[in-house]
Amino acid sequence: GQSLEQPSEVTAVEGAIVQINCTYQTSGFYGLSWYQQHDGGAPTFLSYNGLDGLEETGRFSSFLSRSDSYGYLLLQELQMKDSASYFCAVRGSPVAGGSYIPTFGRGTSLIVHP
Amino acid sequence: DTGVSQDPRHKITKRGQNVTFRCDPISEHNRLYWYRQTLGQGPEFLTYFQNEAQLEKSRLLSDRFSAERPKGSFSTLEIQRTEQGDSAMYLCASSTKGTSGSNEQFFGPGTRLTVL
Repeated sequence: GQSLEQPSEVTAVEGAIVQINCTYQTSGFYGLSWYQQHDGGAPTFLSYNGLDGLEETGRFSSFLSRSDSYGYLLLQELQMKDSASYFCAVRGSPVAGGSYIPTFGRGTSLIVHP
Repeated sequence: DTGVSQDPRHKITKRGQNVTFRCDPISEHNRLYWYRQTLGQGPEFLTYFQNEAQLEKSRLLSDRFSAERPKGSFSTLEIQRTEQGDSAMYLCASSTKGTSGSNEQFFGPGTRLTVL
């Protein structure tokens, strides 16, 4: 099966940089995605890593190390509106016995203080 | 087309009743997913369609749950003989079939089910 671990809560102040870590287990690896979900809202896609390295999208960056089964989401210049839950989601490779369907972590609640 | 829509947004029912939810995906998306989410948890996969074919179903899914996507467009999720443990947010997502890349999923606003 596929499983993920991420911290349950992270707090930071406005303007700071925060890193949300994610470790995963999967049979075969296809990709790691990150989603943001505000209270009462739907998850929205932030970033995707299929290969090792850093992907940058504005204030958000995501990193992947396949050899370590590890990734992180980096949020820079934090704003109050960034307070939300952040989920990592892993897709396995069906050829290797994994599931193509994304498996989501339990989410990290980010609280941004003024 | 502004995104994935779901109906109803809220449903309150009594234990033992049947409920049906509808999802309208983004029109050009051929992949459709149903998830369930409870407080403090991530979305939990229920089932997946590619066009009208139901290709994968969670092993954890009770046989009281059934889903259809008859014409490869909208989908319905039915829960029979609801139980209090079925209370959750039911999320629908859609994506395109890509040969590579993220297959980014676009989520609908969800249907919040409360079973009394």
